Amino acid sequence: AQKITQTQPGMFVQEKEAVTLDCTYDTSDPSYGLFWYKQPSSGEMIFLIYQGSYDQQNATEGRYSLNFQKARKSANLVISASQLGDSAMYFCAIHQGGSEKLVFGKGTKLTVNP
Amino acid sequence: DAGVTQSPTHLIKTRGQHVTLRCSPISGHKSVSWYQQVLGQGPQFIFQYYEKEERGRGNFPDRFSARQFPNYSSELNVNALLLGDSALYLCASSFTSRAQYFGPGTRLTVL
Repeated sequence: AQKITQTQPGMFVQEKEAVTLDCTYDTSDPSYGLFWYKQPSSGEMIFLIYQGSYDQQNATEGRYSLNFQKARKSANLVISASQLGDSAMYFCAIHQGGSEKLVFGKGTKLTVNP
Repeated sequence: DAGVTQSPTHLIKTRGQHVTLRCSPISGHKSVSWYQQVLGQGPQFIFQYYEKEERGRGNFPDRFSARQFPNYSSELNVNALLLGDSALYLCASSFTSRAQYFGPGTRLTVL
């Protein structure tokens, strides 16, 4: 079975600073993918970034980057130059290669202070 | 292009009733998945459909069922509603497994 652990229930960051949200995973499958989603208070899950287990480079999407450390089974999200609109819940998720089923962690609530 | 759409946005039902939730995927996406998110938790996988066939089922009772139509839209049905079924129900569509895009969700309240 696959499992995601997010150990930070809440994080605070000053506007314009960078923040790292932690995610560790557990899987016995050699092929898997890791996702990060943002969920504002409105409820919609917004796709941020994806990292495949065989991808050679760490994924980046604009201000978002994924610090993928395969041996440590960690997939931390780094948000650079935080903005007030980044305040939301952030979820890490994993899927087995070839499967669409996502297993989510419990999330981290990020608050960006002005 | 329009994103994933879901209807209704909010729904209030009483115990024992039946509910149908609807989802339209992004144009060109043939895979649709359903998730349940209770307050304070991450979403939990319920079903996945691809080309009208069920490809995955989560650990949910038989009261939950779903189907996908030829236009790739999907319905989630829940029978004999319980108080514990109160949650945000999310639909996601995908073209490849490297990105799943979620809709705004349906908030179901069971009284």
